[in-house]
Amino acid sequence: DTEVTQTPKHLVMGMTNKKSLKCEQHMGHRAMYWYKQKAKKPPELMFVYSYEKLSINESVPSRFSPECPNSSLLNLHLHALQPEDSALYLCASSPQGWPYEQYFGPGTRLTVT
Amino acid sequence: EDKVVQSPLSLVVHEGDTVTLNCSYEVTNFRSLLWYKQEKKAPTFLFMLTSSGIEKKSGRLSSILDKKELFSILNITATQTGDSAVYLCAADTGTASKLTFGTGTRLQVTL
Repeated sequence: DTEVTQTPKHLVMGMTNKKSLKCEQHMGHRAMYWYKQKAKKPPELMFVYSYEKLSINESVPSRFSPECPNSSLLNLHLHALQPEDSALYLCASSPQGWPYEQYFGPGTRLTVT
Repeated sequence: EDKVVQSPLSLVVHEGDTVTLNCSYEVTNFRSLLWYKQEKKAPTFLFMLTSSGIEKKSGRLSSILDKKELFSILNITATQTGDSAVYLCAADTGTASKLTFGTGTRLQVTL
């Protein structure tokens, strides 16, 4: 099973709302990632969790708050977003240790109004 | 600054043609190069290349890495309309699992 699942598939939220994106994998991977992808652009790394600890934060604004409750789950909490935050948010996971490849979930299409 | 450049940016071919997509990289602590196919949503993994000169093959797709000249190519033979997608390459810089992506090549296969 090489599946990463994400919910919801689509999300529309106002600038004052609080919402969360969820990502789940059951491949036993110990590294999980959040990416942001704008139209016709490659994915941009936001956060990396390794063994449930935040190991990379790519200078992401604090209105994005990641959480890794356990080795299978990764959340991204959203608060006070701006319209320019509208994008496809992708979750990925990979086995710990090298060499490895990252497996991506289907993404959540976020629109901030 | 780590950089991955793909060419061409876009390509339109007829079904049955063979295409070659290019990826060059300048990154510190290079460990591997990965190719992904992205249709409407998530990138799907195609290949990971770690050693020079060893071709990886999956059906009509193949890829090879040249670590001396710092590039990789992805070949697709006998293209089909289902190959239409954006093809992304990414360099693993070995820095805490970080991938640096290229901007992608948009391939359109027409009948």
